[in-house]
Amino acid sequence: GAVVSQHPSRVICKSGTSVKIECRSLDFQATTMFWYRQFPKQSLMLMATSNEGSKATYEQGVEKDKFLINHASLTLSTLTVTSAHPEDSSFYICSALGTGDGYTFGSGTRLTVV
Amino acid sequence: RKEVEQDPGPFNVPEGATVAFNCTYSNSASQSFFWYRQDCRKEPKLLMSVYSSGNEDGRFTAQLNRASQYISLLIRDSKLSDSATYLCVVRITGNQFYFGTGTSLTVIP
Repeated sequence: GAVVSQHPSRVICKSGTSVKIECRSLDFQATTMFWYRQFPKQSLMLMATSNEGSKATYEQGVEKDKFLINHASLTLSTLTVTSAHPEDSSFYICSALGTGDGYTFGSGTRLTVV
Repeated sequence: RKEVEQDPGPFNVPEGATVAFNCTYSNSASQSFFWYRQDCRKEPKLLMSVYSSGNEDGRFTAQLNRASQYISLLIRDSKLSDSATYLCVVRITGNQFYFGTGTSLTVIP
């Protein structure tokens, strides 16, 4: 089945630094990938929709200059959290529509900003 | 009104029990429906799609009621390993879809 590989799985960074998270579709081409954030005991919240070769579409309330999304190829999308602050600490997950039903999720990245 | 509403629970049931979750959606143009399972601190994984005619996979049965705009998930003979959060996902069109907030299930020995 469709596999989405997400790295890193866990990252701790200092406040003010930037962190890049990668999501790769391993055995299919993902023209569209989705980026979510999940705070403890809350549901997934869609942050943005990433389209290959074009600008990402951000959900209301998500700062596009803070969360930079690049989808340069059909198999890779990246999310860069710029100038991270402790309140950005969260679980970030990507997903893509695979070859079958439903969406395939990456394994998630737990970001802790100290 | 939220696009997708789901009872967050928690549902605490004994092993062997039957438990059912419902999820309502507001957009009658919704096209596809899914149930995902999410374990603590892990990514959601597709449990099953929900088809108009209803579908079953072992102890799990999913149903869709378009008239009343809800989907359901029934788990029979609950196992300890069924403890997780169950998310319903509704796809409107194309890439437009919505997640429920998830229903927490704990199966007790």
